[in-house]
Order: sequence, then C-alpha cells, then structure tokens
Amino acid sequence: NAGVTQTPKFQVLKTGQSMTLQCAQDMNHEYMSWYRQDPGMGLRLIHYSVGAGITDQGEVPNGYNVSRSTTEDFPLRLLSAAPSQTSVYFCASSYSPTLASPLHFGNGTRLTVT
Amino acid sequence: GENVEQHPSTLSVQEGDSAVIKCTYSDSASNYFPWYKQELGKRPQLIIDIRSNVGEKKDQRIAVTLNKTAKHFSLHITETQPEDSAVYFCAAGTTSGTYKYIFGTGTRLKVLA
Repeated sequence: NAGVTQTPKFQVLKTGQSMTLQCAQDMNHEYMSWYRQDPGMGLRLIHYSVGAGITDQGEVPNGYNVSRSTTEDFPLRLLSAAPSQTSVYFCASSYSPTLASPLHFGNGTRLTVT
Repeated sequence: GENVEQHPSTLSVQEGDSAVIKCTYSDSASNYFPWYKQELGKRPQLIIDIRSNVGEKKDQRIAVTLNKTAKHFSLHITETQPEDSAVYFCAAGTTSGTYKYIFGTGTRLKVLA
C-alpha cells in the first residue's frame, strides 16, 4: 500500500491564482482531512470528510473548498490564493470516523504564495 | 469552539533524563487522544494513543496518562535519547457529532548529549 499520497510536493503561486492540491489514499479509509501547518501554530484543521459525498468545515475553512466524490480522493482547492495561505499542507486519513483510530498523514505539500 | 492547549512549547533535557509534555482539551465529547512525533521536514507519525476508557498506557519508554475529569493528558518519555529530539503534537478526537481531530501547537524537544 502506498498509504496517503499528496501531490505536488512543492508549489509556488501568484496572488489570485487558483490550484488544487491532490490527496489519495489506498487503505479504504472512510475519514479524510486537510490540515495546514504554520510555525508555532501546530496543525490546524481546514476541512474533513466522514465518507464519500460528505464534507464539513474545520477550524480554518475560509478560502478553501473540498469535495469527496470517491472514497479514495479528497482534493483541496484554493480558489484565489493569498499570501496568508503560504503554508505546509497535510492530508490525513483514518479508518473510520466512529472508531477511535489514528490519522495517517501524507508527506505534505509546501505552498508559497507571492 | 474546540481547543487543545499544549505546554511547554520548547523543552530541553539531558540525555537519559525524563521529558513530560502536557495537554488540556476543551471539548467534553473528546474520547481519543493520540500523540504524534514530527521530525524536521517529515510528516507527523503516531507514537502512542489512548482512549477515554483508559487512564494510562505504556509502550517501552513512552507512556501517556489521561485525566478525564480535569480534561488533561500527558506524554512521558523516560531515558531520553538524542533521536527523541523532534516536535511532538498532542491531539483530541471525537467519534461522534463533529468527528474532528484537533491538535495542540506542538512541543519542540531537544535531548542534549
């Protein structure tokens, strides 16, 4: 199993551009989520999904959209990039939202917005 | 909203000493408490977790304790080694209602040889 795969690893955007960060898992996990990591602020939850067709907002959802059309994929869309969205983004999945199971993280995407 | 506070933000210990990191959560519905270790430039990886029906769990040099009444949980690392140097994150998760995993702000542990 590849686990949780994120692409790209690095991305530079100009202010106002849009892009999609890809996340895929091959573990048949029901639960998927996106976090951003900024120095001194830990991991902050952006959006999460408890199954295909279901998404919900986390702590910092503004400026981001998600969809979950399949169990495997959970893309994160930046509609109009801003310098405040410069961060490292992690996708994470777990077996089931109703069972206490650990999150498995992807390797992250480092995004810079100029 | 839900919040997890983590202390200290940095911790330096001599090799062989013990390290303790403490977290406090706000959501009474939280029932799952994992700890993650993140090395520089890498992804967070689970090191130990505890469920709300358990007060303490140990795995070799690592232990976690949970006080549900006070909404506190702690990570204890004994006989620290240089390779324990990393950033450690606590998290609080819920398996009903909101289904969120909320993380603390992290503790940078330095083990001095």
